[in-house]
Amino acid sequence: DIVMTQSPDSLAVSLGARATISCRSSQNVLYRSNGKNLLAWYQQKPGQPPKLLISWASTRESGVPDRFSGSGSGTDFTLTISSLQAEDVAVYYCHQYYSHPRTFGRGTKVEIK
Amino acid sequence: QAQLVQSGSELKNPGASVKLSCKTSGYTFTKYALNWVRQAPGQGLEWMGWINTNTGNPTYAQGFTGRFVFSLDTSVNTTYLQISSLKTEDTAVYYCARGDYAYSPWGQGTQVTVSS
Repeated sequence: DIVMTQSPDSLAVSLGARATISCRSSQNVLYRSNGKNLLAWYQQKPGQPPKLLISWASTRESGVPDRFSGSGSGTDFTLTISSLQAEDVAVYYCHQYYSHPRTFGRGTKVEIK
Repeated sequence: QAQLVQSGSELKNPGASVKLSCKTSGYTFTKYALNWVRQAPGQGLEWMGWINTNTGNPTYAQGFTGRFVFSLDTSVNTTYLQISSLKTEDTAVYYCARGDYAYSPWGQGTQVTVSS
């Protein structure tokens, strides 16, 4: 199974500041035949289901603010919130869909400092 | 617009069974896989498995074999999760989610509480 390791477990960032979350996979999730990384990021606010923010490691979903960006390839990935807003307080999860079983990171809780 | 609507909260005694539903709308049902994800209280997301909406063939993650059954009713564009011999550790929110790759959208979740 591919283990997804997120860091940090939590972080507190000032409004307007940058938040950076890392996700490392225990195996490569780059599908060489099409050059795509099979890695997604989700946002989960309290009492709500997860919401897909980014797929293919860096493709932002329609309607997701452009302050959210994803980067990385192979085994190392990053979710960046360029200017944290109050509504971004949530838990963020990475997810690999390269192989079964699908696996998620343990989540990173983002709070306002 | 695709939408997944799940059935309401359940309170069950240990040893009982429960059947959760996830009704889809707004897209062609057989075009995407449907997945089940568990979230225990205060914990992260755990993938339980998926069901092929073309064939009805389910695939279960390790730890979700035996007591867990995924099924379909294509006439009403709905997938089901049945859990038998419930244990207190099955207390969780259960989500369905559409997708062969990244998951979107997700159902709102069904809270299952197992307690005597």
